Amino acid sequence: DTAVSQTPKYLVTQMGNDKSIKCEQNLGHDTMYWYKQDSKKFLKIMFSYNNKELIINETVPNRFSPKSPDKAHLNLHINSLELGDSAVYFCASSQDSGAHGEKLFFGSGTQLSVL
Amino acid sequence: GENVEQHPSTLSVQEGDSAVIKCTYSDSASNYFPWYKQELGKRPQLIIDIRSNVGEKKDQRIAVTLNKTAKHFSLHITETQPEDSAVYFCAASWDTGFQKLVFGTGTRLLVSP
Repeated sequence: DTAVSQTPKYLVTQMGNDKSIKCEQNLGHDTMYWYKQDSKKFLKIMFSYNNKELIINETVPNRFSPKSPDKAHLNLHINSLELGDSAVYFCASSQDSGAHGEKLFFGSGTQLSVL
Repeated sequence: GENVEQHPSTLSVQEGDSAVIKCTYSDSASNYFPWYKQELGKRPQLIIDIRSNVGEKKDQRIAVTLNKTAKHFSLHITETQPEDSAVYFCAASWDTGFQKLVFGTGTRLLVSP
């Protein structure tokens, strides 16, 4: 009965390939996020959607394209994968827009390895 | 933009000792300061948070203090236990209409029995 679930858990692929990571939350939250955690464990926000609307778009290469078909789902598609894309990608959600600071619920992460 | 610095990067203590992790932030508009714990191979989980209208908050063995003037906040863990071993992240955000948490670089805490 996982609150925020993402698939796959592990993704190993070759440079130049295109891959997608899926995320779903069953908490009824309005906002979903993608965070990237690099090899040094640094957590950095990439995107945020509130009720299917993109509200945060950090300086991320346009090879990364998020899609939110509904407020319970946020997917991340990555084109032309590069070695530097290797990281753990976390999906997260929060109840509201988080305007006044609120708890993030993280998924279990997708470890992406680009060879 | 906001920048959050966190120290130390690693911290080793004996079981039963106290542990303190410190963070500084750059944007005086920041008003929400959560702490997340990430066990090895697991997801980050919120353990405590504090808002700028409060100077200190406690929850059993953990406490967070905030000094707005100096723009720093700290996590205090007392009577540490081996299960406290994890990476701890501080973060900061401000009211912008949506939440954009900026995380610190993390502190790896190792509690030895």
